[in-house]
Amino acid sequence: QITLKESGPTLVKSTQTLTLTCTFSGFSLTTREVGVNWIRQPPGKALEWLALISGDGDTRYSPSLESRLTITKDTSKNQVVLTMTNMDPADTGIFYCVHPSLHPSGAFDSWGQGIPVSVSS
Amino acid sequence: QSVLTQPPSVSGAPGQRVTISCTGTGSNIGSEFDVHWYQQVPGTAPKLLIYDYNRRPSGVPDRFSASRSGTSASLAITGLQAEDEAVYFCHSYDSRLSSDVFGTGTKVTVL
Repeated sequence: QITLKESGPTLVKSTQTLTLTCTFSGFSLTTREVGVNWIRQPPGKALEWLALISGDGDTRYSPSLESRLTITKDTSKNQVVLTMTNMDPADTGIFYCVHPSLHPSGAFDSWGQGIPVSVSS
Repeated sequence: QSVLTQPPSVSGAPGQRVTISCTGTGSNIGSEFDVHWYQQVPGTAPKLLIYDYNRRPSGVPDRFSASRSGTSASLAITGLQAEDEAVYFCHSYDSRLSSDVFGTGTKVTVL
């Protein structure tokens, strides 16, 4: 059974750096075809893909946010960490950790519960 | 900011059929990248409904089906039920952006 759970601060101030941790179980993030994504959702709005890290360490980022994002993994702890710099109130929303397990499909079938993050000015 | 466009809302009476469109461009749906659909009940994480054009994960009823043509895709719900009230999102990949992209979301209301 695959599980993912997000953790981190739920309130940050403008210009601060947000650090979120995804702790997962049920799979091993050690091979190229296995990955973990971060996706966010502003209140009442659409989903937005942020970043991906694969088991071989390869990373991809949303072009519009690439300069602010860093995704890393700690295989020994089964964790993936996302950092987002220079936070703004417009970054307020729910952040989800997501694992596509239906390889080779890129569909996002395993989601964490999400963590709400509010950015104050 | 969403690359894929969906109608804001659709509605139907119980038992009816409703469809949700997802309009993209030549660099995503038009390039034959897979389209996936999600159902999101308020306050919960999205749930995968349809993947790889028209495959359903275990447990998803066959009342849900998908289709595509050119730069658009559609989700159909037949035999609409009260439990189908939710927001639905489409998802694909965009080669110009080198990024996964989502639709704007459609709220389904059961009258």
